[in-house]
Amino acid sequence: DQQVKQNSPSLSVQEGRISILNCDYTNSMFDYFLWYKKYPAEGPTFLISISSIKDKNEDGRFTVFLNKSAKHLSLHIVPSQPGDSAVYFCAASWGNKLVFGAGTILRVKS
Amino acid sequence: DTGVSQDPRHKITKRGQNVTFRCDPISEHNRLYWYRQTLGQGPEFLTYFQNEAQLEKSRLLSDRFSAERPKGSFSTLEIQRTEQGDSAMYLCASSVSVGGVDTQYFGPGTRLTVL
Repeated sequence: DQQVKQNSPSLSVQEGRISILNCDYTNSMFDYFLWYKKYPAEGPTFLISISSIKDKNEDGRFTVFLNKSAKHLSLHIVPSQPGDSAVYFCAASWGNKLVFGAGTILRVKS
Repeated sequence: DTGVSQDPRHKITKRGQNVTFRCDPISEHNRLYWYRQTLGQGPEFLTYFQNEAQLEKSRLLSDRFSAERPKGSFSTLEIQRTEQGDSAMYLCASSVSVGGVDTQYFGPGTRLTVL
């Protein structure tokens, strides 16, 4: 039962352009959503989060949008840089645990 | 570095052996979590401590797995009689609630290979 889904296994973007990573969820009880970035052989690094009572949160080049009616969130990275190339995980908080999607591999080409 | 640390980073063991992993959380964080990640998947929740109390365990945590946090600081995760299916990355995270917001910060993980 995948409560958090990232339907795009990979995404390739040109440097300087916008990267849009998408995430869908099924459980309306999730109250907090997070995006993590992961490099090989490292643990996930926290990027940005959003409460379920908001629809947008911005931090520098990263913006997360939440559409509760569609149970959908997205991460926008503008402008994309080669150093952004990594696996991006969407996670949803329920009680004291995080439920993760399977991740999207982002490749930013220079 | 004041982030979450885990030891060892890599462990190779033979099937049937016992292994123990250690996690040192960020010092002011009272909450500690263990997750497991297999190839191509996101991390899956295993268990959660608030201070020294283990408050939640996933059904993934079979009776061969035990986790402790004896003094509310570092934590250990032990796997007894390892099986090849236990091969995975074991991740530890810690957090503290600030203004009702509880962001988990992850360590680098311990990669377990069971031969």
